[in-house]
Amino acid sequence: GAVVSQHPSRVICKSGTSVKIECRSLDFQATTMFWYRQFPKKSLMLMATSNEGSKATYEQGVEKDKFLINHASLTLSTLTVTSAHPEDSSFYICSARVSIYPPYNEQFFGPGTRLTVL
Amino acid sequence: DQQVKQNSPSLSVQEGRISILNCDYTNSMFDYFLWYKKYPAEGPTFLISISSIKDKNEDGRFTVFLNKSAKHLSLHIVPSQPGDSAVYFCAASVKHTGNQFYFGTGTSLTVIP
Repeated sequence: GAVVSQHPSRVICKSGTSVKIECRSLDFQATTMFWYRQFPKKSLMLMATSNEGSKATYEQGVEKDKFLINHASLTLSTLTVTSAHPEDSSFYICSARVSIYPPYNEQFFGPGTRLTVL
Repeated sequence: DQQVKQNSPSLSVQEGRISILNCDYTNSMFDYFLWYKKYPAEGPTFLISISSIKDKNEDGRFTVFLNKSAKHLSLHIVPSQPGDSAVYFCAASVKHTGNQFYFGTGTSLTVIP
């Protein structure tokens, strides 16, 4: 159990376009999902916390109008990078918090999405 | 400011020997610690965790040690296997506040056959 998927796994887009990344919990319901960004040889940086049915909570320095998060159901959260620029190129990873499987309150991560903006 | 630090970016160990990965943290409010393993272009996978009420947690070949006074934790892998080669991240959180995880910068482990 506790499988999290992301789609797409890799996307290349032109500067100025918008890109949507989906994060799904496949075999459980996740009331909370997290979006991270990882730069090369850097730590995972939390971007925002997404709660089903409510607005996402963004970390300091993360532009909420640029990184739109929608957690429309208990199994799906989406991250839309709007008007993408080359500096948005990164590895984006989502995670979902599981409260019914041990270890309780654990986060399980998706496989990540590699975004390249030309 | 990096609240969780892994000062060794890489580590090489011979197969069968012990791998010791270290992690330091600065926030004394952290009460839950985890280790994740990550392969390139994949998401992290959970390995083992420890609550601050314990100083050791063991799961098969993996043991995590927590030294609260030193704000230090370590992951021991014994015996190390080539399949253990990956990047290992430690993470810390304050459990009752909603579980924001603070990650270290990772240590790349290479187990040499």
